[in-house]
Amino acid sequence: GIQVEQSPPDLILQEGANSTLRCNFSDSVNNLQWFHQNPWGQLINLFYIPSGTKQNGRLSATTVATERYSLLYISSSQTTDSGVYFCAVELTGTASKLTFGTGTRLQVTL
Amino acid sequence: GAGVSQSPSNKVTEKGKDVELRCDPISGHTALYWYRQSLGQGLEFLIYFQGNSAPDKSGLPSDRFSAERTGGSVSTLTIQRTQQEDSAVYLCASSLGGTGFGYTFGSGTRLTVV
Repeated sequence: GIQVEQSPPDLILQEGANSTLRCNFSDSVNNLQWFHQNPWGQLINLFYIPSGTKQNGRLSATTVATERYSLLYISSSQTTDSGVYFCAVELTGTASKLTFGTGTRLQVTL
Repeated sequence: GAGVSQSPSNKVTEKGKDVELRCDPISGHTALYWYRQSLGQGLEFLIYFQGNSAPDKSGLPSDRFSAERTGGSVSTLTIQRTQQEDSAVYLCASSLGGTGFGYTFGSGTRLTVV
């Protein structure tokens, strides 16, 4: 099956810092989503981004489908950004399920 | 409804008992997914519904697990003869279906088998 690798696995930032999270995937995909799981366990969809670049406030994401990676940028981080960030992909030619990466655990400190 | 609703939010059951977990998707969402997340782990796919059909149930870990969806809406995940390794958070998501739409997740059911 498709492999989804995320890096770094853990990240500690001071409030106000910027960061880049990376997602590499092993095969061609037709769906890629980024999620944030907050400390209470709720998963929030951040971006649907199978290709190109999108921005939403302090967050932006870029997917280079031909090179099989996606990046999530967090600027001016806040303590509320803490949690786990997951990348998830759906294999091209299927319309069934997202396969999730192992996540990046982010802690933003004061 | 406004979001994906799951019930119960917490369930403690004795080993060997059967449990039923419920998911009420966003109105109009034709696709529904069940995932499982063990403590500190990623999300493991269980089953996918398109309407009332389950074209992909490849993630169900054993024949003790089953799921159904009725009326293209509510889904129930049933675990028979629960085991301690079934303890996890069971998450449901829905989407408009097909390719091109994001998932919306519910808050999950935390299942503890004692």
